[in-house]
Amino acid sequence: DARVTQTPRDKVTEMGQEVTMRCQPILGHNTVFWYRQTMMQGLELLAYFRNRAPLDDSGMPKDRFSAEMPDATLATLKIQPSEPRDSAVYFCASARGITYEQYFGPGTRLTVT
Amino acid sequence: ELKVEQNPLFLSMQEGKNYTIYCNYSTTSDRLYWYRQDPGKSLESLFVLLSNGAVKQEGRLMASLDTKARLSTLHITAAVHDLSATYFCAVDIPYTNYGGSQGNLIFGKGTKLSVKP
Repeated sequence: DARVTQTPRDKVTEMGQEVTMRCQPILGHNTVFWYRQTMMQGLELLAYFRNRAPLDDSGMPKDRFSAEMPDATLATLKIQPSEPRDSAVYFCASARGITYEQYFGPGTRLTVT
Repeated sequence: ELKVEQNPLFLSMQEGKNYTIYCNYSTTSDRLYWYRQDPGKSLESLFVLLSNGAVKQEGRLMASLDTKARLSTLHITAAVHDLSATYFCAVDIPYTNYGGSQGNLIFGKGTKLSVKP
C-alpha cells in the first residue's frame, strides 16, 4: 500500500528556530507539492516540483521558507527563522504527473510559540 | 485569478436524507477533484472528473462536472454518520482559457458535513 510519508508528525518549537519538514513521495511519482492548512486561510499551495525541479514557489514567503528535492525520494520544506504565524499543518502530496490526482501525506502539525 | 467557491460551508443533516454540495469555479478548467478530510487527518482523494459531463459514483456519493456552467456537484444519498467529514473540491489551473494544465490545484474552503442520527 503505497503512501506518502512525512516527518515529523508534530513539531513544537520556539520563535526564531529553524524547522525542517521532510516528505517521501510515493515511488514512481514525479510531482511533489507542499501545502499549508490553517483554519483562517484553508489549504494553500506553497510550492511544487516536477522531476525534482521547482515549478512554482510563489505561494511561499521567500525570505524565510525554502523547499528542495535533494533526490527523487525526498522533499524538504525549511522555515528559518520560524514565527508564530507559521503554525499550521503542512501537507506534502505527490502525483504520477501534473494532471494526475494528488495523494496526500499525513501532515506535519507545526506549533511555533 | 481562479476562484473556487463551495456551498454550503457547513451542512448538518439527518441520517437517511439526501443533499448536494456545490462547487463553482471562475475560469475554464476541465479537471476537478473531490477530497475528503476527517478531523485531524489528511486529505483522501474521492473523485477525479476529467471532462464535461463526467459522473462518478462511489457508495452513497456521486460527483458530476459541468464545465460549461463551471460547476461540480457532490450528491449524498441516504446519508449515514460515517460520511461526516469535510469535503473539498479542487480545480486544476489551466495554462490558458482553452485547456492544458499548470499542474497545481486551487482548493475550495471545504464543506463541513455532520450527519446526525
